[in-house]
Amino acid sequence: DTAVSQTPKYLVTQMGNDKSIKCEQNLGHDTMYWYKQDSKKFLKIMFSYNNKELIINETVPNRFSPKSPDKAHLNLHINSLELGDSAVYFCASSLEGTGQETQYFGPGTRLLVL
Amino acid sequence: AQSVTQPDIHITVSEGASLELRCNYSYGATPYLFWYVQSPGQGLQLLLKYFSGDTLVQGIKGFEAEFKRSQSSFNLRKPSVHWSDAAEYFCAVEAGSQGNLIFGKGTKLSVKP
Repeated sequence: DTAVSQTPKYLVTQMGNDKSIKCEQNLGHDTMYWYKQDSKKFLKIMFSYNNKELIINETVPNRFSPKSPDKAHLNLHINSLELGDSAVYFCASSLEGTGQETQYFGPGTRLLVL
Repeated sequence: AQSVTQPDIHITVSEGASLELRCNYSYGATPYLFWYVQSPGQGLQLLLKYFSGDTLVQGIKGFEAEFKRSQSSFNLRKPSVHWSDAAEYFCAVEAGSQGNLIFGKGTKLSVKP
């Protein structure tokens, strides 16, 4: 049973398109996150969501928007894709988002923008 | 601003040899510190974490790490490396009690037979 799953695993698309990446966790956690890992393997948090409230919104472009239909899902929608958006995007979850917790990561979605 | 530095980009060790991966952090308060491992093409898995108490923490897969406040370090160690340990290792600090993990740039570990 996969704890945190993401779809698709790979996504190749053209500049200017709009795409979504889905994330689901079956751990019963309250907080979910999105991270971006660039080509140099540098990981940076993008968003976290707790009870449908955005807790952290780092300096990401507003073309990126997290959408949470329910507590178990946090999807990442990206408008007007740019070349620089090519990266691996990781979803994660933790029990409450208080900081002392383990975050459980999904396998990642490899996005390539052409 | 909080930051994490992993000075070694790539380390190669022989199987059976000991390992130490360095991590230094910059954070004003008592940090929550983590080590995660990323196998090729995979997500991240927690190896161990430090919040308070004993400064030597044990993790999974035989790893341990020692928190040294005076050196702002949280180095990861393993006495005997196995070939399956080849992966990317990330040190992270949690800043602000909101789950905001700040990661170092990672250290790639290669293991020679």
